[in-house]
Amino acid sequence: KAGVTQTPRYLIKTRGQQVTLSCSPISGHRSVSWYQQTPGQGLQFLFEYFSETQRNKGNFPGRFSGRQFSNSRSEMNVSTLELGDSALYLCASSLDRVGYEQYFGPGTRLTVT
Amino acid sequence: KNQVEQSPQSLIILEGKNCTLQCNYTVSPFSNLRWYKQDTGRGPVSLTIMTFSENTKSNGRYTATLDADTKQSSLHITASQLSDSASYICVVSAAGGSYIPTFGRGTSLIVHP
Repeated sequence: KAGVTQTPRYLIKTRGQQVTLSCSPISGHRSVSWYQQTPGQGLQFLFEYFSETQRNKGNFPGRFSGRQFSNSRSEMNVSTLELGDSALYLCASSLDRVGYEQYFGPGTRLTVT
Repeated sequence: KNQVEQSPQSLIILEGKNCTLQCNYTVSPFSNLRWYKQDTGRGPVSLTIMTFSENTKSNGRYTATLDADTKQSSLHITASQLSDSASYICVVSAAGGSYIPTFGRGTSLIVHP
């Protein structure tokens, strides 16, 4: 069974631009969660999608948004990028709930200049 | 406020030695506690997951313990190998609600030959 895949793996953007990251969960998994990881803050929960609906949301500004498609693939969008958005963005999938066994993808390294 | 504290922040040991990492949490009501291993630049990989009724779980040379009364967990690594060099992250999920996980900042382990 293929693992969680994320594209692109690396991205360099300029302040003010927007970016879209993609995540394909493990086949059969319906819950997809997104996390931001920085050296200073560690892993922080962004949001969780389940059956195309946002089920949970972390404490991030509205510039961070996401969606999930009918095949459970998910995208995350960050608008009006700031330098502080530079981070490793991780996607994780689980069968049905964010609080249980999760499988993480390799992440997308976003650098904002 | 739900919190997960890990100690030590970093640890250096010699190959072949054992070590123990600590995790204290204030997440309530408790659902489960997970330990992840994260290699530099990669996504976290699950080592163990424990629910309230479990007080020990092993995965090869990794053994996790849980004391739900004192809200403490430990991860013991036996006969360390160079490949154990990584960040170890403790994650606790609450029950009866959103199940959003709370992450510790991790312990950075370096194994020297």
